[in-house]
Amino acid sequence: GESVGLHLPTLSVQEGDNSIINCAYSNSASDYFIWYKQESGKGPQFIIDIRSNMDKRQGQRVTVLLNKTVKHLSLQIAATQPGDSAVYFCAENIIIQGAQKLVFGQGTRLTINP
Amino acid sequence: NAGVMQNPRHLVRRRGQEARLRCSPVKGHSHVYWYRQLPEEGLKFMVYLQKENIIDESGMPKERFSAEFPKEGPSILRIQQVVRGDSAAYFCASSPGAKSPLHFGNGTRLTVT
Repeated sequence: GESVGLHLPTLSVQEGDNSIINCAYSNSASDYFIWYKQESGKGPQFIIDIRSNMDKRQGQRVTVLLNKTVKHLSLQIAATQPGDSAVYFCAENIIIQGAQKLVFGQGTRLTINP
Repeated sequence: NAGVMQNPRHLVRRRGQEARLRCSPVKGHSHVYWYRQLPEEGLKFMVYLQKENIIDESGMPKERFSAEFPKEGPSILRIQQVVRGDSAAYFCASSPGAKSPLHFGNGTRLTVT
């Protein structure tokens, strides 16, 4: 669902550990999902996407899992590095009358500890 | 390959002035989106445009805000008679079509004093 103005959830992990960031989406008709990374002072940067006909997709050090039954999305980052510190947003793509709208989740701030 | 270019990066306006935010999409992208972000929050959809047409403006405030994407030149988000509550980061994104990842610019940070 969309951000409701609360403080961002935070996740701290040790460098080298794996991290899992979770997201719940709102629209059962959504069929395309994207994870973005946002560093301070910058715009969101595409990480990985997944379509609803899949339940898992892997990239370089990242894996996205999709559970349509419970409308849940997760992002797994393997062997975290200091450069992974950022805010991570999931987004669901909603198509209404042929027009695309990307709806962002609240975001999670990931901090990598040395 | 230039990404989405937004300018200015920072804009300061006094209450009552006008703010114009510019966005040049990725070359070849004909779909442009504007989002607003408050500190510690997610991005809120404002408007979706294709060349010369507004497709979805459901996230735009009814008054003072307008957007355009002319046949030639950048997309413009215009805020008239700004108020303090308009202070935020405004992000533009572009895509080549529906169901394609949006490519974001680095935003314009508007401060209304």
